[in-house]
Amino acid sequence: DAKTTQPNSMESNEEEPVHLPCNHSTISGTDYIHWYRQLPSQGPEYVIHGLTSNVNNRMASLAIAEDRKSSTLILHRATLRDAAVYYCIPFQTGANNLFFGTGTRLTVIP
Amino acid sequence: DSGVTQTPKHLITATGQRVTLRCSPRSGDLSVYWYQQSLDQGLQFLIQYYNGEERAKGNILERFSAQQFPDLHSELNLSSLELGDSALYFCASSLTPRTANYGYTFGSGTRLTVV
Repeated sequence: DAKTTQPNSMESNEEEPVHLPCNHSTISGTDYIHWYRQLPSQGPEYVIHGLTSNVNNRMASLAIAEDRKSSTLILHRATLRDAAVYYCIPFQTGANNLFFGTGTRLTVIP
Repeated sequence: DSGVTQTPKHLITATGQRVTLRCSPRSGDLSVYWYQQSLDQGLQFLIQYYNGEERAKGNILERFSAQQFPDLHSELNLSSLELGDSALYFCASSLTPRTANYGYTFGSGTRLTVV
């Protein structure tokens, strides 16, 4: 499994953009990059995933570096509800499960 | 509501006892995964089922077992419970296994407390 490095914690002001970085330098060419988040006292929630191109959905944007060794999850306007632990997970086609690391704890300041 | 239903939400039991946790996957999903989350271990993969068959095992203790039934719901059985088994147990489902182009949908978990 590809290893990931994420900051332990980050802070953001409410209604400002947030860029959550992830390094995955050992990622293979067929690994998708998945992001999940876990709000307090809830199960993990799928956020977004991509392979090579940048991706957008209603929750966030995912920017993938050209060499695919890093990616950034972008929350365009942080709200208090976005306070969570965010996990970046390289997911290999053929793998049987998602491997969760320690993630980044995002604090949103009102 | 994610579409994955886990029951019960909370469970308190004594050491040495046996409990069963239940999971109904999101409609249309064939694969079910069980995860354990304790304070000092993070989210740990336990076991995966696809269409009734076991597909992968992670860090699952021999005291733990699971199965997936023909209606695709799954049960996780925990026996000879120890204090250290106290944790949140999450079930997730996906359309198919081994396809990284789909996300997983998680339930809200069962909080198990062993006293």
